Amino acid sequence: AAGVIQSPRHLIKEKRETATLKCYPIPRHDTVYWYQQGPGQDPQFLISFYEKMQSDKGSIPDRFSAQQFSDYHSELNMSSLELGDSALYFCASSRAPALHEQYFGPGTRLTVT
Amino acid sequence: AQTVTQSQPEMSVQEAETVTLSCTYDTSESDYYLFWYKQPPSRQMILVIRQEAYKQQNATENRFSVNFQKAAKSFSLKISDSQLGDAAMYFCAYITGTYKYIFGTGTRLKVLA
Repeated sequence: AAGVIQSPRHLIKEKRETATLKCYPIPRHDTVYWYQQGPGQDPQFLISFYEKMQSDKGSIPDRFSAQQFSDYHSELNMSSLELGDSALYFCASSRAPALHEQYFGPGTRLTVT
Repeated sequence: AQTVTQSQPEMSVQEAETVTLSCTYDTSESDYYLFWYKQPPSRQMILVIRQEAYKQQNATENRFSVNFQKAAKSFSLKISDSQLGDAAMYFCAYITGTYKYIFGTGTRLKVLA
């Protein structure tokens, strides 16, 4: 069965650079969620989209922005990167009305040097 | 505020023995979902078990079962016949009305041969 795809899997950037993370949900899934997991921490919710509209927002820095496109894939754009942005970024997808059945991607490991 | 608490940062269990991981949560909602996720060294988030709050019967998935006490807001995970492959970080999670996860801080499970 198809799973959530995230690209790239690993990314190394320098401080003040920009990064774009991509998430491709399971086919026919209409909802995408982004989470950030710092070293030794639990995943923290960043933002979610349903049918290409932002549905909820968590502790996402103003330097970050995200959107969901017409094909339902989503991109998380991160600018002016800081060392503290180094983390594992998960994407999860689900399909209404079973929004509680979320499937996680493998994550993108971002390292900021 | 909705919170999830895992009071055991680390647990150890002998192979083939049984271990119980604790979790408490706080919510004012009457209908919600609770989850246990496993995160092995690969850091993939793997769903272990899910419980719907409106169901009184405790969920079971093979060697994994939960003890759901709604009034006490307690949701513990029991792993029977522990195997070396069960060694991982385990996160208890609650899903909110907007379907974002709130995770606990995790319990690292070590399985001793």
